[in-house]
Amino acid sequence: SAVISQKPSRDICQRGTSLTIQCQVDSQVTMMFWYRQQPGQSLTLIATANQGSEATYESGFVIDKFPISRPNLTFSTLTVSNMSPEDSSIYLCSVEPQGIGGGASGYTFGSGTRLTVV
Amino acid sequence: AQSVTQLDSQVPVFEEAPVELRCNYSSSVSVYLFWYVQYPNQGLQLLLKYLSGSTLVESINGFEAEFNKSQTSFHLRKPSVHISDTAEYFCAVSRLTADKLIFGTGTRLQVFP
Repeated sequence: SAVISQKPSRDICQRGTSLTIQCQVDSQVTMMFWYRQQPGQSLTLIATANQGSEATYESGFVIDKFPISRPNLTFSTLTVSNMSPEDSSIYLCSVEPQGIGGGASGYTFGSGTRLTVV
Repeated sequence: AQSVTQLDSQVPVFEEAPVELRCNYSSSVSVYLFWYVQYPNQGLQLLLKYLSGSTLVESINGFEAEFNKSQTSFHLRKPSVHISDTAEYFCAVSRLTADKLIFGTGTRLQVFP
C-alpha cells in the first residue's frame, strides 16, 4: 500500500492565523481525502481532492475556510484558515492506494497533524 | 447515502476474554466494509476489509469480522484479547464506485489485566 508523509505532525497556532498541512505520497494516486478528527470523536470527511480539478467539499465545510491544493498525483495541501479554538483537531490525509477508484484496496492514512489553536 | 453505527462507545474486557465490537451500516447500494484501529497517540491503521467473496475476513493479529448482508452488519471479534489490543476501533464503509470512507463513531476497547 502507499506510504504517506504528512507534516507537520503537530502545531500550536494563534487564533486568526492559518496553517498549511502537507501530504506527500510515495506513488501516484487518483484521489486524496482530507479528514478531521475532533477530540474524542470519529473522523469526518472535509473534502475530496482530485488532481487537476477543484476539491469537492462535504456539507459544513467550505473552500474559504479549508482551501486545498492538488498540484500533482503525489501531493496535496490543506490550509486551515483564520483559525479559532474550535479548529483544534487532528487533521488526516488519506489516499486510495494505487490510484484505482472504487475503494477496492483499502485506504491508507497519514499519521495526522495535531492542531491546537490558542 | 451511507451511514455506519457502532453501538458501543466503550467496551471494557479482561485479558484473554473474547470480545465483539458491533458495527451496522445502512446503504442503498453495495459497499466495501473496513475496520480501522487507532492506538493511543497514533494514526489510523487498516485492520481488515471486506470487498467480496468469503464473508469472513481475518487480520494477522487474530481479529476477524463477518459480513452479514441480511443484517447489514460487520461485527469485529477476537476470541482472546491482549493488553496490547487496547485502542479505538472504527468501522467504515465506502461505495463500490470510487468514493470516500464514511466512519462510525468508534468503539474504545479497554483490555484490563
